[in-house]
Amino acid sequence: RKEVEQDPGPFNVPEGATVAFNCTYSNSASQSFFWYRQDCRKEPKLLMSVYSSGNEDGRFTAQLNRASQYISLLIRDSKLSDSATYLCVAGPYSNYQLIWGAGTKLIIKP
Amino acid sequence: DTAVSQTPKYLVTQMGNDKSIKCEQNLGHDTMYWYKQDSKKFLKIMFSYNNKELIINETVPNRFSPKSPDKAHLNLHINSLELGDSAVYFCASSARGNTQYFGPGTRLTVL
Repeated sequence: RKEVEQDPGPFNVPEGATVAFNCTYSNSASQSFFWYRQDCRKEPKLLMSVYSSGNEDGRFTAQLNRASQYISLLIRDSKLSDSATYLCVAGPYSNYQLIWGAGTKLIIKP
Repeated sequence: DTAVSQTPKYLVTQMGNDKSIKCEQNLGHDTMYWYKQDSKKFLKIMFSYNNKELIINETVPNRFSPKSPDKAHLNLHINSLELGDSAVYFCASSARGNTQYFGPGTRLTVL
């Protein structure tokens, strides 16, 4: 079983729609969680950290469910520019060693 | 100003050659990393240095040797390149293990 699992997609979503992806992690000792975004042939960039109480940043909402060991990302009012691969990241031991999911590809269509 | 830079951006070489990739960060971070992203898009940590000291050394062939001359630089030397080494190599840095900032990547193709 992979340590961090994501549905690879692609998710094809019309512009303006709401889309959500989940990510599961296997190590219950994981303490830190992040969503990164990676555009085609570019480097990953931090989208948002995920806090225990859930957090929101504009159109993006991240949630953590420790009991079921998953994190989620919700994107509201999706834009064409949201098209990218979204990488789920968990830090079981420390923030120094992060475990990365393979990413979920999102395609927003006009 | 570029925060994390890598050179070269593209590297095409023959099997058996030795090559180096350089990374520099101007963010004042104390921790630097090398990651490998293969064709399946998995991002795997290879090495991490904190204040020039190796703190993460994942199971990678000993043909790969990192070197950190100072806190702002982390280079990766690869001996006897193999076809399976073809991938994108990302350098990253962070402050005390916080958010990691990535360089633009080095796309290595071994022929």
